[in-house]
Amino acid sequence: QSVLTQPPSVSAAPGQKVTISCSGSSSNIGNNYVSWYQHLPGTAPKLLIYENSKRPSGIPDRFSGSKSGTSATLGITGPQTGDEADYYCGAWDSRLSVGVFGGGTKLTVL
Amino acid sequence: EVQLVESGGGLVQPGGSLRLSCAASGFIVSSSYMNWVRQAPGKGLEWVAVMYGGGITYYADSVKGRFTISRHSSNNMLFLQMNRLTIEDTAEYYCARDIGGYKYGLYYHSGMDVWGLGTTVTVSS
Repeated sequence: QSVLTQPPSVSAAPGQKVTISCSGSSSNIGNNYVSWYQHLPGTAPKLLIYENSKRPSGIPDRFSGSKSGTSATLGITGPQTGDEADYYCGAWDSRLSVGVFGGGTKLTVL
Repeated sequence: EVQLVESGGGLVQPGGSLRLSCAASGFIVSSSYMNWVRQAPGKGLEWVAVMYGGGITYYADSVKGRFTISRHSSNNMLFLQMNRLTIEDTAEYYCARDIGGYKYGLYYHSGMDVWGLGTTVTVSS
């Protein structure tokens, strides 16, 4: 049981916008930055979003992040087949003094 | 080029020990927040441990008292000493840099921007 809650899977057609939610509490998302990662099997996880909504250089603006209260959302506009991967949210938990991840969401592009 | 390369994984019996290494290039480990993250087969990412630039460390409850994160400044490396291993420790282990900082007397975590490719640890009899 992960501290952060994500849907196990989402799907979208190319050209649509898909969102992945991440729900936590005041001790993690509510008072700390949220980050998002893309993970393909056999590869290193890739940082997509840091500090809730910032994109590292090289990450296309099709990827966006937002946070409200104790929840965060990753948006992917016009998903491509190359975006099929597992997506994870992460944050620090100040009460537990540990890093926490969501359980991961598998994106399928129809 | 900023890069992390893990090594040291392998097959170990339950109750055994293993030391993972992570070689960094392009940045200074001792000035960075460095993490270990693992992924068990068929499971999601699990945070394991962090070491801040000042040397403070934190651990996941599942490894506290058994794992120790450390670093060697002269060769710019990060380590994870794993003792009393159990089958549940079987996973791919990644080291990762966090681009957090220290502000108003508190450490903050921004996100892990550099990851290695991982090293596989299998605990089995």
